[in-house]
Amino acid sequence: DVKVTQSSRYLVKRTGEKVFLECVQDMDHENMFWYRQDPGLGLRLIYFSYDVKMKEKGDIPEGYSVSREKKERFSLILESASTNQTSMYLCASSPTGTGGYEQYFGPGTRLTVT
Amino acid sequence: GEDVEQSLFLSVREGDSSVINCTYTDSSSTYLYWYKQEPGAGLQLLTYIFSNMDMKQDQRLTVLLNKKDKHLSLRIADTQTGDSAIYFCAGSFTGGGNKLTFGTGTQLKVEL
Repeated sequence: DVKVTQSSRYLVKRTGEKVFLECVQDMDHENMFWYRQDPGLGLRLIYFSYDVKMKEKGDIPEGYSVSREKKERFSLILESASTNQTSMYLCASSPTGTGGYEQYFGPGTRLTVT
Repeated sequence: GEDVEQSLFLSVREGDSSVINCTYTDSSSTYLYWYKQEPGAGLQLLTYIFSNMDMKQDQRLTVLLNKKDKHLSLRIADTQTGDSAIYFCAGSFTGGGNKLTFGTGTQLKVEL
């Protein structure tokens, strides 16, 4: 079974803190994604990576950065957390291929910024 | 860019059928997916349909695709309380690479 794990299920941080969210997948997938989920807005793509050290901006990259030093690990960084970044953060991975693009999701990290 | 829309809420009685609808704007879809998210969990793939298909059935789940109208639906037969969750449709579109575009999610509530 594909497994995607996220470092924390719940996180509470103060405004201005630097926040690291970690994601690890064990299926040797090339692609990894970070989304945030907010009620009524669905999933919005923050950043994704299709290879080690490669990253591409998604739809809402402002205020975030990412790091992918190893194939299995994709980190999301909030340089200076703000209250409007309170949200559920979901990590996903997928293989590259000519077939479908099914993504496998981690359990999510609910981040609260106070 | 691509836009995928769903209604936000659906309430059904246990044992009835549920139909969750999704519309999208980009006609270059390749695959369309339905994901389920149970409370406090990540998303789990339920089923998918290739864009050259009209229908796919998988046990209690039936997916219908109307490419002309850019409309996708998920029918759950004999809905159970365990089906209460948020359901997301998502699509992969030509030129999108390995990205998926997700809808807003439909909260399904199953009442006794």
